[in-house]
Amino acid sequence: GQNIDQPTEMTATEGAIVQINCTYQTSGFNGLFWYQQHAGEAPTFLSYNVLDGLEEKGRFSSFLSRSKGYSYLLLKELQMKDSASYLCAVRDGDYKLSFGAGTTVTVRA
Amino acid sequence: ETGVTQTPRHLVMGMTNKKSLKCEQHLGHNAMYWYKQSAKKPLELMFVYNFKEQTENNSVPSRFSPECPNSSHLFLHLHTLQPEDSALYLCASSQETSGSGANVLTFGAGSRLTVL
Repeated sequence: GQNIDQPTEMTATEGAIVQINCTYQTSGFNGLFWYQQHAGEAPTFLSYNVLDGLEEKGRFSSFLSRSKGYSYLLLKELQMKDSASYLCAVRDGDYKLSFGAGTTVTVRA
Repeated sequence: ETGVTQTPRHLVMGMTNKKSLKCEQHLGHNAMYWYKQSAKKPLELMFVYNFKEQTENNSVPSRFSPECPNSSHLFLHLHTLQPEDSALYLCASSQETSGSGANVLTFGAGSRLTVL
């Protein structure tokens, strides 16, 4: 089966940096995704990593180490609107995604 | 309308009722998905359709019955549900069911189902 772990909750201050870790054990690997989901809204795509290294997209960056089964999502210059749930998902070899339970990030003023 | 639209957004039903959830995508995608999202749990894949053909039934109880009349529309027919079926049901679409490239899922906002 698939096992994807991420912290349940994190709290940070506006303007700060938060790093959300995701570890995975899957039968195969064909890409790792991060999604953002605000309460009552659709999950929206943030990033995709298939090779080792860092992908930067504005204030958000995502890192992947395939040998360690590890990824993180880095949120810089936090804003109140970044309060949301962040979902880590792994594509294990065909097209299907296995999701973690999500990390709820609360940004405080 | 753009993106993925789900109706109704909220649904309360008794265990003996029959109801349906509807999903429509305006993205020109060929694959559509139903996911179940329960509080504090990972999204669970329920059904997948690719070019209107069902390609995945993830051991879902028969009280959930999907229908995909064309590549733009997806339904989830509900009957004789249990209280533990209460959850957020998310529809998603992608270009196709491919493991190559990003092939990003675009989600709808979900239908919040409560079974009494």
